[in-house]
Amino acid sequence: QKEVEQDPGPLSVPEGAIVSLNCTYSNSAFQYFMWYRQYSRKGPELLMYTYSSGNKEDGRFTAQVDKSSKYISLFIRDSQPSDSATYLCAIVMNTGFQKLVFGTGTRLLVSP
Amino acid sequence: DADVTQTPRNRITKTGKRIMLECSQTKGHDRMYWYRQDPGLGLRLIYYSFDVKDINKGEISDGYSVSRQAQAKFSLSLESAIPNQTALYFCATSLTVSTDTQYFGPGTRLTVL
Repeated sequence: QKEVEQDPGPLSVPEGAIVSLNCTYSNSAFQYFMWYRQYSRKGPELLMYTYSSGNKEDGRFTAQVDKSSKYISLFIRDSQPSDSATYLCAIVMNTGFQKLVFGTGTRLLVSP
Repeated sequence: DADVTQTPRNRITKTGKRIMLECSQTKGHDRMYWYRQDPGLGLRLIYYSFDVKDINKGEISDGYSVSRQAQAKFSLSLESAIPNQTALYFCATSLTVSTDTQYFGPGTRLTVL
């Protein structure tokens, strides 16, 4: 079983739609949760970061963590064509070296 | 100018050749990382370095070696390239106190024929 599972997509939505991207993880020792966005031919860039259960909002983006279910989500409101990218969840285990464990990424396509 | 740069951006090589990928950063970060990205497998850690004298293997270090020439430079070498090393390679950096926030370079697309 992979430590982090993520549906690869692609997920296609019309402009303005609400997008839900999800990851599940297997190790309850994971404590920090992040979402990276990767545009085509670019490196990943940090989008959201949280270390507690609940919601964290940043503009049109909301990160949600449910530690009891080992489930994390990223919601994008009023999606735009410029949101078309691959979204990777990344999880950190807080023991010694804080290794990032990445999901495989979900490709999102927002059509005008 | 980009904070984390990688050279070359694209490289095609043949099986058995030695190849070096280079990474430079102007962020002043102590920690540097090399990842490879494959479809369906995501990003996997090859090597990481906490400072010039501290280099550690990641989860998939076989067939690779690294050199930390300075705080700002971290090179990845494939001693004898093989086709299954065809992938996207990313360098990343982070601050000592915040290793979870990693800043990635633009990547090198390597093809081994």
